[in-house]
Amino acid sequence: GENVEQHPSTLSVQEGDSAVIKCTYSDSASNYFPWYKQELGKGPQLIIDIRSNVGEKKDQRIAVTLNKTAKHFSLHITETQPEDSAVYFCESGTSYGKLTFGQGTILTVHP
Amino acid sequence: DTGVSQDPRHKITKRGQNVTFRCDPISEHNRLYWYRQTLGQGPEFLTYFQNEAQLEKSRLLSDRFSAERPKGSFSTLEIQRTEQGDSAMYLCASRVPRTGGTEAFFGQGTRLTVV
Repeated sequence: GENVEQHPSTLSVQEGDSAVIKCTYSDSASNYFPWYKQELGKGPQLIIDIRSNVGEKKDQRIAVTLNKTAKHFSLHITETQPEDSAVYFCESGTSYGKLTFGQGTILTVHP
Repeated sequence: DTGVSQDPRHKITKRGQNVTFRCDPISEHNRLYWYRQTLGQGPEFLTYFQNEAQLEKSRLLSDRFSAERPKGSFSTLEIQRTEQGDSAMYLCASRVPRTGGTEAFFGQGTRLTVV
């Protein structure tokens, strides 16, 4: 089955800095890579996703990059704000089948 | 129907008792997923449904766990003879296809504590 490794497990940045979270996956058949933000007491919420036929996708301050050869993808948050503080999860799999979550990254943005 | 709802939000039960959780997905979302999440970990896939058909079950889903989606709408997850190791947050999500992939909508989860 798919194995997804996510790093770092915790990330602390100053407001305005950039944050990068990386995931590696094992199943070469995976073709869909979403990222979620989870706030305390809530379920994960999709923030951005990318398919395997695309190398990069951007949505305002958030971007995701994918390297299919190396089997890794990354979340980039620029100009971080305190409200970006949360737990972030990557996921990997097939878009309408089974997907596997990473272990999560606790992001803390200090004002 | 504004989102995925799960009931109850919290459940405390004694070891050995049976518990049942309910998930109401967003209407017309035909894919429904169950996950288990423990503190500090990512959600672990348990099972998913296409309408009423259960398409895949994780090895994590022992014979004490059973999930149903009898009419292709709401789903239930039952845990029989609960153990302390079953204590976790149980999340439900429904997925809908959209351009470039699918979007998963998660409920707020049911937090189970087995004492």
